[in-house]
Amino acid sequence: GENVEQHPSTLSVQEGDSAVIKCTYSDSASNYFPWYKQELGKGPQLIIDIRSNVGEKKDQRIAVTLNKTAKHFSLHITETQPEDSAVYFCAASNNNDMRFGAGTRLTVKP
Amino acid sequence: DTEVTQTPKHLVMGMTNKKSLKCEQHMGHRAMYWYKQKAKKPPELMFVYSYEKLSINESVPSRFSPECPNSSLLNLHLHALQPEDSALYLCASSQLRGDKNIQYFGAGTRLSVL
Repeated sequence: GENVEQHPSTLSVQEGDSAVIKCTYSDSASNYFPWYKQELGKGPQLIIDIRSNVGEKKDQRIAVTLNKTAKHFSLHITETQPEDSAVYFCAASNNNDMRFGAGTRLTVKP
Repeated sequence: DTEVTQTPKHLVMGMTNKKSLKCEQHMGHRAMYWYKQKAKKPPELMFVYSYEKLSINESVPSRFSPECPNSSLLNLHLHALQPEDSALYLCASSQLRGDKNIQYFGAGTRLSVL
């Protein structure tokens, strides 16, 4: 089955700096890679996603890159703000079987 | 509207109780999911329903019994649970079209088993 590894487990940045979270996956059949943000007491919320036929996607301050050959994908957040503080999960999906990375706790210091 | 509604938000039950968790969506999604999330861990897939039929069961103990009465509702029946079953139980739903499986999550039910 699919195995998703995510690094780092914790990340602390100063407000305005960039944050990068990296994930690798094992199943070459995975074709869809979403990123979720989970705040305390809430369910995961989709923030950006990418399909396997696309190398990069950007949405305002958030971007995701995918290297299908190397089986890794990354989340980039620029100009971080305190409200970006949360746990971020990457995931890899094949049809409706989705597996999550272990999560990254991002803290943005004002 | 991308809302998935879960009830109750919190549940405390004894090991001999029988209770049910409920999940509802009105987005026309034909896939619905149950996940279990322990503290500081990622969600773990438990069950997947596609077109109201169970399509994935991740070897979950029989004390957890899912039910999908119609395309908008998903239940998780609980019986004879153990304290280690205490966790956040998340429901999600998605469309079954195309290769983009966007799953929308509810806020979860926080379950404590005493």
